[in-house]
Amino acid sequence: DAKTTQPPSMDCAEGRAANLPCNHSTISGNEYVYWYRQIHSQGPQYIIHGLKNNETNEMASLIITEDRKSSTLILPHATLRDTAVYYCIVRAYSGNTPLVFGKGTRLSVIA
Amino acid sequence: DGGITQSPKYLFRKEGQNVTLSCEQNLNHDAMYWYRQDPGQGLRLIYYSQIVNDFQKGDIAEGYSVSREKKESFPLTVTSAQKNPTAFYLCASSMGGRSNQPQHFGDGTRLSIL
Repeated sequence: DAKTTQPPSMDCAEGRAANLPCNHSTISGNEYVYWYRQIHSQGPQYIIHGLKNNETNEMASLIITEDRKSSTLILPHATLRDTAVYYCIVRAYSGNTPLVFGKGTRLSVIA
Repeated sequence: DGGITQSPKYLFRKEGQNVTLSCEQNLNHDAMYWYRQDPGQGLRLIYYSQIVNDFQKGDIAEGYSVSREKKESFPLTVTSAQKNPTAFYLCASSMGGRSNQPQHFGDGTRLSIL
């Protein structure tokens, strides 16, 4: 079973920041938080991952709370192309560990 | 370009027929994975392989088989024993060893029953 809890859906106005929450209260010390998104009928796309520090790349920012029990993915300026299902996944420190997907959050960016 | 190629994009199967889905990667990744996705659901793990000539069952392996004879290739066979094969199938790969690098996915194969 997935070790994360996400809201089933969210809306965001185009051009505004989209903040997607994720709870992972049972996360272990050696587990990373990964975010992927899946646009309809495509394979999941990797967005970002982190262990305990906040991370930022060209796509998004990841904010992890100090106790590591929750995190937030931030898309700073959402566009219509960001409409997708976003998955938050907790994964142990190993390149070979399969991902365990929940149902994710369906983000709708509205013009 | 480096990436994961799944073929075909769409596949139709007759009742009682086995079909094989192709997955090829040129990323020099050690590990490869197969997932199944049903409408409105997340991905579920079918099989994965950490090295050539070795693979492990995932959560829903019944009715499926795989092989890993080459590092670049990880074909999935959907056998006639899989009674509900209609789904979206996704292949992924990742670096091996002690790495936190992410998995990368192909664009999927959509399988339907005729």
